[in-house]
Amino acid sequence: KQEVTQIPAALSVPEGENLVLNCSFTDSAIYNLQWFRQDPGKGLTSLLLIQSSQREQTSGRLNASLDKSSGRSTLYIAASQPGDSATYLCAGGDYGGSQGNLIFGKGTKLSVKP
Amino acid sequence: NAGVTQTPKFQVLKTGQSMTLQCAQDMNHEYMSWYRQDPGMGLRLIHYSVGAGITDQGEVPNGYNVSRSTTEDFPLRLLSAAPSQTSVYFCASSYSRPTGLSSGNTIYFGEGSWLTVV
Repeated sequence: KQEVTQIPAALSVPEGENLVLNCSFTDSAIYNLQWFRQDPGKGLTSLLLIQSSQREQTSGRLNASLDKSSGRSTLYIAASQPGDSATYLCAGGDYGGSQGNLIFGKGTKLSVKP
Repeated sequence: NAGVTQTPKFQVLKTGQSMTLQCAQDMNHEYMSWYRQDPGMGLRLIHYSVGAGITDQGEVPNGYNVSRSTTEDFPLRLLSAAPSQTSVYFCASSYSRPTGLSSGNTIYFGEGSWLTVV
């Protein structure tokens, strides 16, 4: 069964800093890896989706990478801003063990200080 | 375009009561799912559906029931509420299974339903 882990659980950085959020998964048969943002009291918003055949995806100041062989994905946030403060979750899955459904990590709570 | 709409936003139930959380999407998505989110546990899949008339169990299905009579709606029923079902519930939808090979499988979440069982 796919397991997804995110470390650290919380991270605080000063505004303007570049930062990396980590996500690891146990089953390399993963089909895709997705990154989400969750603001307090809100639902999840999809940020980036990396297919298993891809190595990375970029959207604005966000860059996500996927290394299936090592079971890792990273979300790079450039020039962080206070508006980036939120919980970031990664999720992956496969067509076998998870039957096409997403398995979520517990998230990293990011705080960007002005 | 409303996306995924969940109702109610907040609900307090007494132990043993039943209720239905409503979920509707207007994107003609075939895949719909219900998750619960608890502190320290993350998001866990309750039930999911890959199309009208087709439902299946997720990781934590006990105490919940679902049906999918239309493409748009996917209600979640709590049969006899227990304090352990106090949680935040999220409905989500996507064009097809979110880990399918199609590149367009962005999944959309509702705003959540906060349920307290006393």
